[in-house]
Amino acid sequence: DVKVTQSSRYLVKRTGEKVFLECVQDMDHENMFWYRQDPGLGLRLIYFSYDVKMKEKGDIPEGYSVSREKKERFSLILESASTNQTSMYLCASSSGLAGEDKKYNEQFFGPGTRLTVL
Amino acid sequence: DQQVKQNSPSLSVQEGRISILNCDYTNSMFDYFLWYKKYPAEGPTFLISISSIKDKNEDGRFTVFLNKSAKHLSLHIVPSQPGDSAVYFCAASSSYNTDKLIFGTGTRLQVFP
Repeated sequence: DVKVTQSSRYLVKRTGEKVFLECVQDMDHENMFWYRQDPGLGLRLIYFSYDVKMKEKGDIPEGYSVSREKKERFSLILESASTNQTSMYLCASSSGLAGEDKKYNEQFFGPGTRLTVL
Repeated sequence: DQQVKQNSPSLSVQEGRISILNCDYTNSMFDYFLWYKKYPAEGPTFLISISSIKDKNEDGRFTVFLNKSAKHLSLHIVPSQPGDSAVYFCAASSSYNTDKLIFGTGTRLQVFP
């Protein structure tokens, strides 16, 4: 079974702090993703990575950065946390190999980190 | 600009009855659609998908219908069970970027006895 783990389930930080959210997958997946989930807004993509040391901006990258030094690990960094970054953060990974019909690439999600910025 | 929309934030259904969750999209380049299910304090898990070359895909109690002309898809759950109570997300992708999923806003389904 694919396992995606996130370093913390709950995190409370103060405004202005630097925050690191860690994600590790154990299936040798090429792709990794960071989303945030907010009520009424669904899942929004922050950043994703197709390979080690490669990253691409998603739909809402402002205020975030990422790091992927090893294939299995993808970190999300909040350089200076703000209250509007209070959210549920979800990490996901996928194999980079489309399914039989060549059109689908299932993403496997971690349990999420509930971040509160005070 | 929400490319994938789920206009009903919540739905309440009696056990044994049919649950119908709806999803609309605006981008005609989308050609693959997925439904994910999310329980509280867990990550979303894949439920069922459909390619644009089909108009229906069935897996046990779950059936997804796609109406391309209306840019609309729906998830039917029959019969509904209390364990189906969760948030359901619709997602879409296109063949020129199969790795990226665009998610809807989610519908919270509650199945009561």
